[in-house]
Amino acid sequence: QLQLQESGPGLVKPSETLSLTCTVSGGSISSSSSYWAWIRQPPGKGLEWIGTIYYSGSTYYNPSLGSRLTASVDTSKNQFSLKLTSVTAADTAVYYCARYRHYFDSSGYFHNDWYLDLWGRGTLVTVSS
Amino acid sequence: DIQMTQSPSTLSASVGDRVTITCRASQSISSWLAWYQQKPGNAPKLLIYKASSLESGVPSRFSGGGSGTEFTLTISSLQPDDFATYYCQQYNSYSISFGQGTKLEIK
Repeated sequence: QLQLQESGPGLVKPSETLSLTCTVSGGSISSSSSYWAWIRQPPGKGLEWIGTIYYSGSTYYNPSLGSRLTASVDTSKNQFSLKLTSVTAADTAVYYCARYRHYFDSSGYFHNDWYLDLWGRGTLVTVSS
Repeated sequence: DIQMTQSPSTLSASVGDRVTITCRASQSISSWLAWYQQKPGNAPKLLIYKASSLESGVPSRFSGGGSGTEFTLTISSLQPDDFATYYCQQYNSYSISFGQGTKLEIK
């Protein structure tokens, strides 16, 4: 059964770069044909989409974060990663990695739906000096 | 960007009540809407997709409806395990967005 686990430093200083990794276990990140997401949730607040990556390396970013954000995938390690530069206190949040729903139809064609059917447990990142 | 607005923000109800949460989109999203349940300290859990399709393993007391810009999540008879925060999410494109959440509290 596929599982996701976020990892990274729990504390980042203002103006520095936040780096997180999501490790996929129980299956191959490349053979699953899945798209993967980063979602964050500031303490006591709602959910915000950060970005999306495909195993091939194709990415989509939230425009509000775009220039500070880089997502990447390492198929050899079965991981995908997130880097957010120039962080401020507003970037303090629980960061989740998640998988988008996908399926193959009766003709074998791949379809992806942009909702999230599998989530990691999340990791809290605090931005503070 | 598509903005999602949920109402109410907080809902107080009792076990056995029927409750409905509304989610409105700033433009038409057809039926590209999902609902999630989140409990404190946990990741969101998928309940409903494509506005009204129940995710496997989710109790049938949960149902979704609507299309276009207005959607509902209904719980037919509240159980103690249902007190949580609920989020809608539009997926009209890869640029997804969430409602601000509705906290369902015990009255």
